[in-house]
Amino acid sequence: NAGVMQNPRHLVRRRGQEARLRCSPMKGHSHVYWYRQLPEEGLKFMVYLQKENIIDESGMPKERFSAEFPKEGPSILRIQQVVRGDSAAYFCASSTDLNYKGNQPQHFGDGTRLSIL
Amino acid sequence: GNSVTQMEGPVTLSEEAFLTINCTYTATGYPSLFWYVQYPGEGLQLLLKATKADDKGSNKGFEATYRKETTSFHLEKGSVQVSDSAVYFCALIKDSNYQLIWGAGTKLIIKP
Repeated sequence: NAGVMQNPRHLVRRRGQEARLRCSPMKGHSHVYWYRQLPEEGLKFMVYLQKENIIDESGMPKERFSAEFPKEGPSILRIQQVVRGDSAAYFCASSTDLNYKGNQPQHFGDGTRLSIL
Repeated sequence: GNSVTQMEGPVTLSEEAFLTINCTYTATGYPSLFWYVQYPGEGLQLLLKATKADDKGSNKGFEATYRKETTSFHLEKGSVQVSDSAVYFCALIKDSNYQLIWGAGTKLIIKP
């Protein structure tokens, strides 16, 4: 019973390039969340998606960042024209149902460490 | 606004010592509270949770009690092991929401 799978584990990009981060939720999970962890800080919520729908993207920068969770395949977090400040660990989590009051806990992947040269 | 504050690390202890990592929160209503653990190079694992006041979450010898009067959720363990070395995050979810709000994390180092 595989957990949340994220790839790649490490990604190096030069300024101006695009970064694509993938997340396959746990089997049976239809809710996906993306968080960003800057060095020496806690995680910050970015976006919450269900299949084919963005439910809440209030934590995601308005420019250069986008996310999708198609009917088939993994969820993708896309960062266009990356800058040094995008260097961080990006974590994906999934749950079976709306994580109301934590009754359906979010299960996390191992993260993608993005480094911008 | 809603926030979580943890004691700064690193916390360095000897094996078999007693552990306390402090966590306090600010939130309206009745949030659910969590402790997650992050081992080196890995993702976050849910360690324990409590969903209402006076609940005690426990797992793997760790405990935390939801104290509404002091808005705290301190993590404790009676006898730590080297394998407990990790970063520990306190987090909350607000009423009727799904966003986890995180503390900055506390790095725990256990020496043999």
